Amino acid sequence: QQQVKQSPQSLIVQKGGISIINCAYENTAFDYFPWYQQFPGKGPALLIAIRPDVSEKKEGRFTISFNKSAKQFSLHIMDSQPGDSATYFCAATLGGADGLTFGKGTHLIIQP
Amino acid sequence: NAGVTQTPKFQVLKTGQSMTLQCAQDMNHEYMSWYRQDPGMGLRLIHYSVGAGITDQGEVPNGYNVSRSTTEDFPLRLLSAAPSQTSVYFCASSRVGVEGEQFFGPGTRLTVL
Repeated sequence: QQQVKQSPQSLIVQKGGISIINCAYENTAFDYFPWYQQFPGKGPALLIAIRPDVSEKKEGRFTISFNKSAKQFSLHIMDSQPGDSATYFCAATLGGADGLTFGKGTHLIIQP
Repeated sequence: NAGVTQTPKFQVLKTGQSMTLQCAQDMNHEYMSWYRQDPGMGLRLIHYSVGAGITDQGEVPNGYNVSRSTTEDFPLRLLSAAPSQTSVYFCASSRVGVEGEQFFGPGTRLTVL
């Protein structure tokens, strides 16, 4: 049973455009929702995260929008740049030692 | 400050062989974990530890063993390698209480023939 569903699987965006990646979760006990960025040959790195009592969080060009009633959250990358080309994973955690439950990832390509 | 380090970077095994993937962190993190990454599957938790002497199973523990004798080290052992264990393995660490903010190592790419 996949607890975090991520879409799209791949995404191509023109430089300067907005990249949007969506995730939906099933377990209402999740209480922390991070996004990780992974470049080829590297480990994932934490990009931005949100708690369910907040509807939006912005850090630079990256914004998480959170809809608790719909059990959905999304990552928006404004003014997308070629250096943003990477695989992005949404994740969720129960807040304890059970670790992260990851979505399957989105391969993002920003075309110059 | 090296963060999370993993060795080896690449490994090829034959079916039935055993090996240990090494992981170390120098951030004094209590929580450490192992994930495997397969194409189109995201990352799945294998085992985790909340401190020296304490380990527990994740989502996909079969065929793997772990131990935690020190805060710094968390090795992953493959007992009898199978082709289904061909994957990229990532070790991660964090402070207890902020397990959502994991620091990942560079990964070990394992091929089992």
